[in-house]
Amino acid sequence: DVKVTQSSRYLVKRTGEKVFLECVQDMDHENMFWYRQDPGLGLRLIYFSYDVKMKEKGDIPEGYSVSREKKERFSLILESASTNQTSMYLCASSLNPGGAFFGQGTRLTVV
Amino acid sequence: GQQVMQIPQYQHVQEGEDFTTYCNSSTTLSNIQWYKQRPGGHPVFLIQLVKSGEVKKQKRLTFQFGEAKKNSSLHITATQTTDVGTYFCAGRQGAQKLVFGQGTRLTINP
Repeated sequence: DVKVTQSSRYLVKRTGEKVFLECVQDMDHENMFWYRQDPGLGLRLIYFSYDVKMKEKGDIPEGYSVSREKKERFSLILESASTNQTSMYLCASSLNPGGAFFGQGTRLTVV
Repeated sequence: GQQVMQIPQYQHVQEGEDFTTYCNSSTTLSNIQWYKQRPGGHPVFLIQLVKSGEVKKQKRLTFQFGEAKKNSSLHITATQTTDVGTYFCAGRQGAQKLVFGQGTRLTINP
């Protein structure tokens, strides 16, 4: 089975902190994605990557950056956390083309 | 940019009734995918449609991809309590970018 693992299930951070969310997949998938999920807004794409060191902006990249130094790992960085970044963050990976497999999510609260 | 709109946002049915959710894209899609998210869980991939006009079935679920490859629907016949959850469509533009609709939350009265 495909496994996508996110480093934390719950996180509480202070406003202004730099936050790292880590995601690892074990199926050699080319594509990896970061979404945030908020009630009534569905899943919104923040960034995606189709290869090592390659990244593309999604629909809401402001305030975020990403890193993909190894194929299996895709990190989401909040440069200076703000309260409006409180959300559920979901990482996913997929073959090209193919369905996406999601991690269990990280619920981030910024206080 | 590409937008994927999904309606309705919520649907409440009696067990045994049918359910349909609709998905529309502002651009032509290379494929469309459907996911189910149970309460408290993460989205789980159900199916992918690639061809114009394609129809696929999974037991009581029927998935359609429009002729213009800009719309899709998911129909559940005779809903059961195990069908509860939020159903998302997701459209691929090009090879990589995967954009989700807002989802339809299905609740069922037993």
